[in-house]
Amino acid sequence: ETGVTQTPRHLVMGMTNKKSLKCEQHLGHNAMYWYKQSAKKPLELMFVYSLEERVENNSVPSRFSPECPNSSHLFLHLHTLQPEDSALYLCASSPTASLGGYTFGSGTRLTVV
Amino acid sequence: KQEVTQIPAALSVPEGENLVLNCSFTDSAIYNLQWFRQDPGKGLTSLLLIQSSQREQTSGRLNASLDKSSGRSTLYIAASQPGDSATYLCAVRSNSGYALNFGKGTSLLVTP
Repeated sequence: ETGVTQTPRHLVMGMTNKKSLKCEQHLGHNAMYWYKQSAKKPLELMFVYSLEERVENNSVPSRFSPECPNSSHLFLHLHTLQPEDSALYLCASSPTASLGGYTFGSGTRLTVV
Repeated sequence: KQEVTQIPAALSVPEGENLVLNCSFTDSAIYNLQWFRQDPGKGLTSLLLIQSSQREQTSGRLNASLDKSSGRSTLYIAASQPGDSATYLCAVRSNSGYALNFGKGTSLLVTP
């Protein structure tokens, strides 16, 4: 496989559930990102990892918890979410955190009920 | 904070027309600017990446220009086709921070 792969593609969860989103990149990039895309709003950066170290946390509520076990994998752990957290969650990677173009995955469409 | 604006928000053109999408940004201290395409409910596909030292990039029927000093970029699409229908997003990577700052996009519809 090549590029950035996200699973699952769709997720419906209740407010008391715990779930995880997975992202995997096969590009040899050193930086990975989580973005949130809500209706009628620009994409919002959530987290940045560079060489498995979190380098930016954009005032994201603690109910979102990222994990980067290695430079190829990124997770977003979800718990006690709110309906307003329903959105498209996009993972991206770039050669480094400072330079280079981004490659995005297809996203996970999350619905919180 | 870098603000990115895209005009127009929506555009409908007949097939075959040449068209221009506009992007402006407030802070000219950028590393690069990237144009993406997004189909409904899908992820982002990178179209063109322009480094801050470059003035333009071309790929097939697409040409993107960058005027860093005036904070503007344009995406030119030649001989538009119905398959070009999508939302086009402009994103700027500033010198400070790690974020790619996005505009809200231009929704393009090319009618047969």
